[in-house]
Parts: sequence; C-alpha cells; structure tokens
Amino acid sequence: NAGVTQTPKFQVLKTGQSMTLQCAQDMNHNSMYWYRQDPGMGLRLIYYSASEGTTDKGEVPNGYNVSRLNKREFSLRLESAAPSQTSVYFCASSDTGQAAGNTIYFGEGSWLTVV
Amino acid sequence: SQKIEQNSEALNIQEGKTATLTCNYTNYSPAYLQWYRQDPGRGPVFLLLIRENEKEKRKERLKVTFDTTLKQSLFHITASQPADSATYLCARSGNTGKLIFGQGTTLQVKP
Repeated sequence: NAGVTQTPKFQVLKTGQSMTLQCAQDMNHNSMYWYRQDPGMGLRLIYYSASEGTTDKGEVPNGYNVSRLNKREFSLRLESAAPSQTSVYFCASSDTGQAAGNTIYFGEGSWLTVV
Repeated sequence: SQKIEQNSEALNIQEGKTATLTCNYTNYSPAYLQWYRQDPGRGPVFLLLIRENEKEKRKERLKVTFDTTLKQSLFHITASQPADSATYLCARSGNTGKLIFGQGTTLQVKP
C-alpha cells in the first residue's frame, strides 16, 4: 500500500524561484494537510483541506498556496521561495477531520532548501 | 494559546528498562491526545490515541496515561529495545479542530 506519496523528496531552490510539492493519497481519505517541520518547532500546519473542493489556512500559511485537485491530490505551491521556507514538508491525510481524533497518515517528507 | 510541550532533551536508557516520555499542555483540556513515532528521514507514524475520559491506554509494550489535573500525558515503553530508538511526538486536539504537535522527544535505547 502506497499510503501518502509526496514528490519531490529533495529540492534546492534559489530565492525567488517557484515550485510545487505534489501529494497523493490512495486511502480514499476526505481530509488532507500540509505541515512543515523545523528543528525545535515541531510540526506546524500550513494549509488543510477538509474535503474535496475546500481549503483553509493553518498556523503558518504565508508564502504558500494550495490546490485540492481532486479527492486524491493536494499540492503545495511556493510562489517566490525565501530562505525562511527552508524546511521539511510533510503531506498527510485522515479519514475525516482532526476533531474526531482520526489517525493522520503522513508521507515521507520533502526536504526543501532555499539558497 | 494552546501549547503542548515535550522535553527537548534526548532520553537515554538501557535496553530492558522502561522509557517514560512526558507531554505537558496548557489551557483547556484537549478532547484527546495522540502519540506518534518518527524515525530519522521519515514521516511520523501514529501509535496511540487517548481521550480525556480515559485514564490509560495500552498497546503491546506501550502505555499512555492522561492526567487532566496535572495537564499531562505520559508515554511508557516497557522492556525497551534498541529498535525503539526514535523521536516521539505528542499531539493535542485544539479548539479549531486541528492537531497541535509538540516538538518531540528523542529516545535512545542502548544495548
């Protein structure tokens, strides 16, 4: 079972460049999420999508945009990358929203460096 | 704000001993707490969930407690093994319905 698949695994960007992180899940989950993880900061929610066709801001949305392309796919776009966006990005999904306590399934992460 | 704090210092224990990790939260009691395991270079993997009306939850060698008076959850691994070495993340439900994660505690089990 693939679970949550995200690409690319590693990426180096120059300041000002744009890129899109792709994410797909094969568990027929309704909710999908994008987190970033920085040393000493824990996982912080960037954006989430409670269901197909809806997206909403999380804790740290500035500098990012998202698209819930269909039920399976949820992409994260950096329009103009900044060094502060150097981080590890995780895509995740759950059957329903987090309020119900449903298990969140994470992808393997994307390591992004902005120079 | 609804903070959740874990001991940032690594926990080093000897194989066979019980590892105990602490998760403290502030403000109102969350509806539930979750614990995840994260290995280097990998995504977090769900381990256990405990709800506010539950004092204790067990799964094989894992045990989680939830003390709403102390505003604390303890995560225990009994008969620890070197394979248990990883970073363990605690997460609480927030009033927006979204999970709030702690920064994680790294456990190192030495043979």
